Parts: sequence; structure tokens; C-alpha cells
Amino acid sequence: AQSVTQLGSHVSVSEGALVLLRCNYSSSVPPYLFWYVQYPNQGLQLLLKYTTGATLVKGINGFEAEFKKSETSFHLTKPSAHMSDAAEYFCAVSDVTGGGNKLTFGTGTQLKVEL
Amino acid sequence: DAMVIQNPRYQVTQFGKPVTLSCSQTLNHNVMYWYQQKSSQAPKLLFHYYDKDFNNEADTPDNFQSRRPNTSFCFLDIRSPGLGDAAMYLCATSGGTSGSSIRHEQYFGPGTRLTVT
Repeated sequence: AQSVTQLGSHVSVSEGALVLLRCNYSSSVPPYLFWYVQYPNQGLQLLLKYTTGATLVKGINGFEAEFKKSETSFHLTKPSAHMSDAAEYFCAVSDVTGGGNKLTFGTGTQLKVEL
Repeated sequence: DAMVIQNPRYQVTQFGKPVTLSCSQTLNHNVMYWYQQKSSQAPKLLFHYYDKDFNNEADTPDNFQSRRPNTSFCFLDIRSPGLGDAAMYLCATSGGTSGSSIRHEQYFGPGTRLTVT
């Protein structure tokens, strides 16, 4: 079974500082990887995805992530944090199940942005 | 805009009283999913429909049922809610053909927060 591990349940950065949220995956096949963001009492919004092709993927709100097969990692970064980035971030891997797909999520990282 | 809609956003029910949560979508996706997310935890897949085919996760309690009367709508029924069923329930959809990369991309609704008293 595929899985993801997010290191650090809470990350705090200053506004304008680099954001780095870590995700490592375990998969026996080439993975489909995702980062989702969740604001309080909201659903999940897709930030970016890796399926095939370019290993550096760019998403919304200035976020990007790099797929590194040798390190089994898919870390999320943003050069300059903004107050509006404060939210919970989930890394997920997709697996085939039945006729659809099952997203297996990491435990999430709560990002706090301080002035 | 095409989207996934969940009603109501907040639902309060009594212990043991059946409750139904609703999801609709305008994306015309053929797969619809229900996830349960408890406080400070990751979402957990309960089941999904591929067209009219129902796929239950092995560890989903029998207390949870689902119906999909047409492509656009999907319902989550909790037959006898317990205090442990209080959670955010998320509906998601995906499209594309089986095996395609698009199928792996899921679009989520805003969720329904269920409180059990």
C-alpha cells in the first residue's frame, strides 16, 4: 500500500520567509502525488500535482514542489510567505481502487505565519 | 463555475437519529467519493461510486451507507449516529477515464460538519 509521511505537524514562519513543508512517500509504482490546502471549516483545495513529466511542478498561490525519486520526497515550497498562507496542508498519494482512485493523506502540517 | 456543492454546511443530529448529508456536482464527473475527517486528522475514504458501481472501503462501518440516484447527486446516510461520528464529511469527484492521470485528481466540496448531541 502506498503512504505518505509529513514531517512536522506544525511549522511557523515569518511573513516574507521561505516556506518548506516536507513530504515523503512510499510507493511500489510511479506515484501520483498531490498537495492540498485546507482553511478552517473548508474543504480541500488542490495546490499542485505530480503525475508524470517535469519533476518541478508549479501550483497556485506561488507554491511549487519538486518530485525527487531518489529521495522519495515531494516537498512543498514557497519563496515568500504571506499571512493568507496560514492553513493546514496535506500531502497525498493516489492509488487505484475499484473504478476510482483512493487518496491517502499524510497527517497534515499546520502552517502559521507570523508578522 | 463548475463545482462540488455540499448541503448543509453544518448539521446537528441527536445520538441514534438517522441523518443524511447531500453532495451535488456540476463537473459531470463519473466518480464521487465520501471522506470522513475527524478533528486534527487527515481525511479518510469511506466509499466511492464509479458511475453506479458502489465501492466500500473495508473498514467503513455498516452504519454508513450511500446512494447515488444520478450522475450529479450523492448522499451519505448515517443510520444511527454515535458521538464518535462527529466529524467533517467531505465529498469529492474525479473524472477522466480509468487509468488516465486526470482520474487521480479529485475536487472537493466545502464539507459538512456534523455534530452529534
